Amino acid sequence: QLQLQESGPGLVKPSETLSLTCTVSGGSISSSSYYWGWIRQPPGKGLEWIGSIYYSGSTYYNPSLKSRVTISVDTSKNQFSLKLSSVTAADTAVYYCARHYYDFDHYMDVWGKGTTVTVSS
Amino acid sequence: SSELTQDPAVSVALGQTVRITCQGDSLRSYYASWYQQKPGQAPVLVIYGKNNRPSGIPDRFSGSSSGNTASLTITGAQAEDEADYYCNSRDSSGNHPVFGGGTKLTVL
Repeated sequence: QLQLQESGPGLVKPSETLSLTCTVSGGSISSSSYYWGWIRQPPGKGLEWIGSIYYSGSTYYNPSLKSRVTISVDTSKNQFSLKLSSVTAADTAVYYCARHYYDFDHYMDVWGKGTTVTVSS
Repeated sequence: SSELTQDPAVSVALGQTVRITCQGDSLRSYYASWYQQKPGQAPVLVIYGKNNRPSGIPDRFSGSSSGNTASLTITGAQAEDEADYYCNSRDSSGNHPVFGGGTKLTVL
């Protein structure tokens, strides 16, 4: 069945760029009707959608993070990636990738296990 | 603050029925999806669309909507249903996904 796995550094210094990759297995990232998204959860807090990308490269981002976020896709590797620039301690969180059905309805039906990223010097 | 409002905590006696609600203007136009999250685990989709359950989700979970409020109902709550529950829909512009603040469900 479809599985998603996040990978990347667990520790990032303030002002630097956080970079994570999500590898999709058991299915194609080029599936129609599905976007691929990033969601984060600060310690003890709720979920925050960061942004999503279609296999064609079309993206949409959370307006509150848009100036610092770049999401890209590599269909040849069945992967998509997140870059978040100028990080601060407020960006410390568990970062999840998920398959995102986006039409009139939208929902995230397959999630990775999440990866913890700490911003600290 | 989130554009989708949830009660922070709800409790239910074992075997009883509980409704978890989510309020927001966008819910007048769009359905909510609901996610269950247990400590240390990733969220799991339990309800999407009008009232659809992914494969493997027990039929004691159901969804409904009225006006600006979406509801997740658990009929005959079990101990394993104790978790945080999040609603998700679009923001007030209709353009972007947004999560509610989450509801911690305690099964007594």
